[in-house]
Amino acid sequence: DTGVSQDPRHKITKRGQNVTFRCDPISEHNRLYWYRQTLGQGPEFLTYFQNEAQLEKSRLLSDRFSAERPKGSFSTLEIQRTEQGDSAMYLCASSEDSGNIQYFGAGTRLSVL
Amino acid sequence: GDSVTQMEGPVTLSEEAFLTINCTYTATGYPSLFWYVQYPGEGLQLLLKATKADDKGSNKGFEATYRKETTSFHLEKGSVQVSDSAVYFCALTSGAGNNRKLIWGLGTSLAVNP
Repeated sequence: DTGVSQDPRHKITKRGQNVTFRCDPISEHNRLYWYRQTLGQGPEFLTYFQNEAQLEKSRLLSDRFSAERPKGSFSTLEIQRTEQGDSAMYLCASSEDSGNIQYFGAGTRLSVL
Repeated sequence: GDSVTQMEGPVTLSEEAFLTINCTYTATGYPSLFWYVQYPGEGLQLLLKATKADDKGSNKGFEATYRKETTSFHLEKGSVQVSDSAVYFCALTSGAGNNRKLIWGLGTSLAVNP
């Protein structure tokens, strides 16, 4: 297992377009997290999955954002009608049920023009 | 709500200097505390952690002690190397039930000169 994988690494889009990011967690990690990081800031929590169930969403996650984890393995994060303020690094992390260490992917950097 | 406050950077040191990066927190309950490191162009990596008061986390020459009385988790290294140049984030776990989301500080950039 090579760790948490995110795709794509970089995405440039025009304002108003929809984008989708993918995260493949470490095998057998039941917990999956999405965070957003802007320049000069620490990551901010967006949402959390336990297997396929989305158990918590941050108030930061507007109705333009949707996340899924249909089979409890990989997850997708979709942003509809992107805005320039959505430009950020989107980070995915996974952890075991019994552990509290989160392992992070390299992130997807989104630039909205 | 829970929060983490880190000393602002950037921090610039010469090789073999002593490093301290201050971190204090506010939390209800008994959080676990972490230091993560982000090297240029790479993802966040766990550097060390502590899960209860007076625990000391250590890794790669870095240490931090969970101080409940001062709500602190300061990162230290006795002799830094050029390869330690990175951004360091202090974080704590927060949340009820199984959601152990991380609450982060702003990060401290460290540059070590030869």
